[in-house]
Amino acid sequence: EADIYQTPRYLVIGTGKKITLECSQTMGHDKMYWYQQDPGMELHLIHYSYGVNSTEKGDLSSESTVSRIRTEHFPLTLESARPSHTSQYLCASRDSGYTQYFGPGTRLTVL
Amino acid sequence: ELKVEQNPLFLSMQEGKNYTIYCNYSTTSDRLYWYRQDPGKSLESLFVLLSNGAVKQEGRLMASLDTKARLSTLHITAAVHDLSATYFCAVVFTGNQFYFGTGTSLTVIP
Repeated sequence: EADIYQTPRYLVIGTGKKITLECSQTMGHDKMYWYQQDPGMELHLIHYSYGVNSTEKGDLSSESTVSRIRTEHFPLTLESARPSHTSQYLCASRDSGYTQYFGPGTRLTVL
Repeated sequence: ELKVEQNPLFLSMQEGKNYTIYCNYSTTSDRLYWYRQDPGKSLESLFVLLSNGAVKQEGRLMASLDTKARLSTLHITAAVHDLSATYFCAVVFTGNQFYFGTGTSLTVIP
């Protein structure tokens, strides 16, 4: 059973606010990912991490940053939220057998 | 350009029928994934295909991979309503970056 958690599940904020989306996993996986998904559309990779202190930008870094200070924790920060950031954000981790496990997602609305 | 294309995008099928979803990708890769997503939910991993000719089956779903043709198929046998969902394929091209297809929205009609 995969254990990967995201908070908050839903968030409505105003333009210009700084927000952090939390992601934690208890499986000890080194590789973690953040994706953005608009309703009914494909996933786009925002950031990924190979392990502690290792982060890379994906094709859609969308003015966000990540950190990986601990194996189990991979937060995503938007420095200044805009309406174009309104979307679902999915966190995932990958085991050594190449299977990706997804968190429940955070639905973000920026007014 | 790195591309992952699925077809069809939308599929409406009757219960009991068979159908195949296709996933084409543009550049060599030997790892392909299939996921299921229910409306408003996150993604659930279905299959991981790691080599040419790999075939995996779970219940009414069977996935295969042809790396030479850069093609994977997800075959649905005797569809039931519970299979209604959106199905995504994903390919790893470089390092650990996953590229997702556009998804196939499947509706199974009684």
